[in-house]
Amino acid sequence: AQSVTQLGSHVSVSEGALVLLRCNYSSSVPPYLFWYVQYPNQGLQLLLKYTTGATLVKGINGFEAEFKKSETSFHLTKPSAHMSDAAEYFCAVSEPIYNFNKFYFGSGTKLNVKP
Amino acid sequence: NAGVTQTPKFRILKIGQSMTLQCTQDMNHNYMYWYRQDPGMGLKLIYYSVGAGITDKGEVPNGYNVSRSTTEDFPLRLELAAPSQTSVYFCASSRPGQGHTEAFFGQGTRLTVV
Repeated sequence: AQSVTQLGSHVSVSEGALVLLRCNYSSSVPPYLFWYVQYPNQGLQLLLKYTTGATLVKGINGFEAEFKKSETSFHLTKPSAHMSDAAEYFCAVSEPIYNFNKFYFGSGTKLNVKP
Repeated sequence: NAGVTQTPKFRILKIGQSMTLQCTQDMNHNYMYWYRQDPGMGLKLIYYSVGAGITDKGEVPNGYNVSRSTTEDFPLRLELAAPSQTSVYFCASSRPGQGHTEAFFGQGTRLTVV
């Protein structure tokens, strides 16, 4: 089975500062990679995804992530944090075995944005 | 465009009671999933289904049952509720191979067992 590691359960940044949320995965096959965001008392919303092709992917709200196969990483970044970015972020990996996707989630990183 | 709809949003159960969490999706997705979310633990897969009439266990199936009689609905049954089942439950759906590689989530059901 896949495993997903998110380094840092809580990250705090100042408004306008760089956001960097780390995600590493284990996989024996080419994975699909995802970042989801969860606002309080809400479901998970897709931020961005990597399936094939360009390794730098752009998502909603100015976020982007880069797939680095050699490092088995898919870190999420945003150049300038906004107060509205405060939420919990989940990295996920899917295992496209045959035609079924099982999704494996990291334990999440709560992002706090200070004024 | 409703997407994935879960009911109820909140529920308090007494130990030993049973209940069904409802999930329905209107995107004609073949695959559906139930996850539970506990603080600091991420999401754990309880059960999944690849189509009507087909279900299988995920990582944490004990104490739960599911059925999939239609493409749209995937209810989760809790029998003999226990405090360890206090959690937030998310239903999700996907349709691999049709350009939708990601899972779409409902708003969640917050369950407390006392």
